[in-house]
Amino acid sequence: EVQLVESGGGLVQPGGSLRLSCAASGFTFSSFWMHWVRQVPGKGLMWVSRINNDGSITSYADSVKGRFTISRDNANKVVYLQMNSLRAEDTATYYCARGWGPDTWGQGTLVTVSS
Amino acid sequence: DIVMTQTPLSLSVTPGQPASISCKSSQSLLHSDGKTYLNWYLQKPGQPPQLLIYEVSNRVSGVPDRFSGSGSGTDFTLKISRVEAEDVGVYYCMQSTQLLTFGGGTKVEIK
Repeated sequence: EVQLVESGGGLVQPGGSLRLSCAASGFTFSSFWMHWVRQVPGKGLMWVSRINNDGSITSYADSVKGRFTISRDNANKVVYLQMNSLRAEDTATYYCARGWGPDTWGQGTLVTVSS
Repeated sequence: DIVMTQTPLSLSVTPGQPASISCKSSQSLLHSDGKTYLNWYLQKPGQPPQLLIYEVSNRVSGVPDRFSGSGSGTDFTLKISRVEAEDVGVYYCMQSTQLLTFGGGTKVEIK
């Protein structure tokens, strides 16, 4: 069964950092692009970042560029999102998703940025 | 950046009746590889989005055939031929021709 499980969310103060992880199973992880997408509670979906299958190509939404870094460990089937200089507006559920046009999503992890 | 505009914002549908959602992109979604990367998702309350339709009109395995997608270029449509109670939720279109962007969502409710 294809599965994506996010972790690492929580409460952090403005200006702080968090690293999200997404553990993959049930498929050949190294063959797929991976994405992070976020959703403010009660609002729509916003793409955050993506990484190609070998980690050599990354892209970011303008709102997180320079603050967030996506990376992956194909040996351990994990994709990461390092989030620095967090702001209140980064508060959201963060989903990882598989594929160029994502076909599988994790359940998400909630990040709350508040003092 | 490609902007995706979905209409309507919400739909209230009688079970058994059809429903249609429009999605327009600010630029053509035809990729240089000849494919059009336009997907449709349904997000039910408390759940992540689930893929219904990929590349405009391809239904994911297990998705009922009452769901269909059509369109080209900048104009796309998701149709539900006969809405059922289990179809409630928020529908999103999404393009991945140039990075990823989502439509604002259409909330479907049952009358």
